[in-house]
Amino acid sequence: DGGITQSPKYLFRKEGQNVTLSCEQNLNHDAMYWYRQDPGQGLRLIYYSQIVNDFQKGDIAEGYSVSREKKESFPLTVTSAQKNPTAFYLCASSIGLAGSYSRGNEQFFGPGTRLTVL
Amino acid sequence: AQKITQTQPGMFVQEKEAVTLDCTYDTSDPSYGLFWYKQPSSGEMIFLIYQGSYDQQNATEGRYSLNFQKARKSANLVISASQLGDSAMYFCASISSGGYQKVTFGIGTKLQVIP
Repeated sequence: DGGITQSPKYLFRKEGQNVTLSCEQNLNHDAMYWYRQDPGQGLRLIYYSQIVNDFQKGDIAEGYSVSREKKESFPLTVTSAQKNPTAFYLCASSIGLAGSYSRGNEQFFGPGTRLTVL
Repeated sequence: AQKITQTQPGMFVQEKEAVTLDCTYDTSDPSYGLFWYKQPSSGEMIFLIYQGSYDQQNATEGRYSLNFQKARKSANLVISASQLGDSAMYFCASISSGGYQKVTFGIGTKLQVIP
């Protein structure tokens, strides 16, 4: 089945440690995104990538880093510089720039990773 | 810049009744799209419905319809014949036409369906 997988589902981190959240898609989508969701809040964009080897900062990129070495994969690293990393992290993908605002280019989401800093 | 406003933090609806979730948007883009997503307690976001700014008719997807009023900049979601499984958070979102596809989300509305 086509879709987006995120791992792990739950992640615990000690203060000062870097952690990497995995995101893989087999939908052949060009664009991928990382969002952060805090309790009672909407989604905020961390990073996005439109093609392999290219990515751009979103609204809250400080303390995070990403890579896009393969079309299928877009891992997110939460670094020790992120002051309040405890949150729910969602990865998404979409077809890409073609028909950028048309039906059929909606974002598909993974199941999310809940990160807790101890 | 885009902005999405959802003013209803929580809503209750009786099973089998219809419910309207409000969404207003603010964008300077001449072309844009509007989405609604459902987020059950499991956390994943589920796409429900899409409306393009130039679409002549309101979008419908099964029990979901989008009441699009362009002049008022509103894009309310109507769920007909509510079911217990409709209990979830609902997010309105917009996508711009320029540059890359930045999607802006509202803060959501929590819907609870009562038996």
